[in-house]
Amino acid sequence: GAVVSQHPSWVICKSGTSVKIECRSLDFQATTMFWYRQFPKQSLMLMATSNEGSKATYEQGVEKDKFLINHASLTLSTLTVTSAHPEDSSFYICSARPLAGGGNGELFFGEGSRLTVL
Amino acid sequence: SQQGEEDPQALSIQEGENATMNCSYKTSINNLQWYRQNSGRGLVHLILIRSNEREKHSGRLRVTLDTSKKSSSLLITASRAADTASYFCATVRTGANNLFFGTGTRLTVIP
Repeated sequence: GAVVSQHPSWVICKSGTSVKIECRSLDFQATTMFWYRQFPKQSLMLMATSNEGSKATYEQGVEKDKFLINHASLTLSTLTVTSAHPEDSSFYICSARPLAGGGNGELFFGEGSRLTVL
Repeated sequence: SQQGEEDPQALSIQEGENATMNCSYKTSINNLQWYRQNSGRGLVHLILIRSNEREKHSGRLRVTLDTSKKSSSLLITASRAADTASYFCATVRTGANNLFFGTGTRLTVIP
């Protein structure tokens, strides 16, 4: 099946630093990738839709300058949490939809990145 | 949640029993999908049902969709301890291409 790799799987950083999380589709191309945030024992909240070659589309309430998303190629999207604070500590999950087969189908998820900001 | 609610929030059953989880959503949809998440891991796609379908099967999974009630159910038959996980429904809204998740059901299957 399609594989999405997310890196790093966990990261601990100091408050005020920036953290970059990578999401790669390993065996398929994806024009669209999605970034989610998940708090403990809660559902996934869509943060933004990452479109290859164009600006990301952010959900209401998500700060664009805080969560920088770059989708430089058909297989890579990055999420940078800028000037991280303890309240940014969360589980961040990316997903991708294969280019082939059209839209609205299943998504393939990375294993998630657990961010802890001290 | 961004899209809908699931119930129950938590379900504990004995191995071999059936588990039923329900999902309600708010808007018109293109399709509804069910995903599974083991603790601290990514999500795995289980099954997709389109808005013009009413029931779908995949192995021990049975999904129903009632668009008039904006609800869906996931039935896992003959449950196993390995089925212990959180289960989420997710919808693709009509005219959109992103996925919004329900609140999830935490299923525990006791051996």
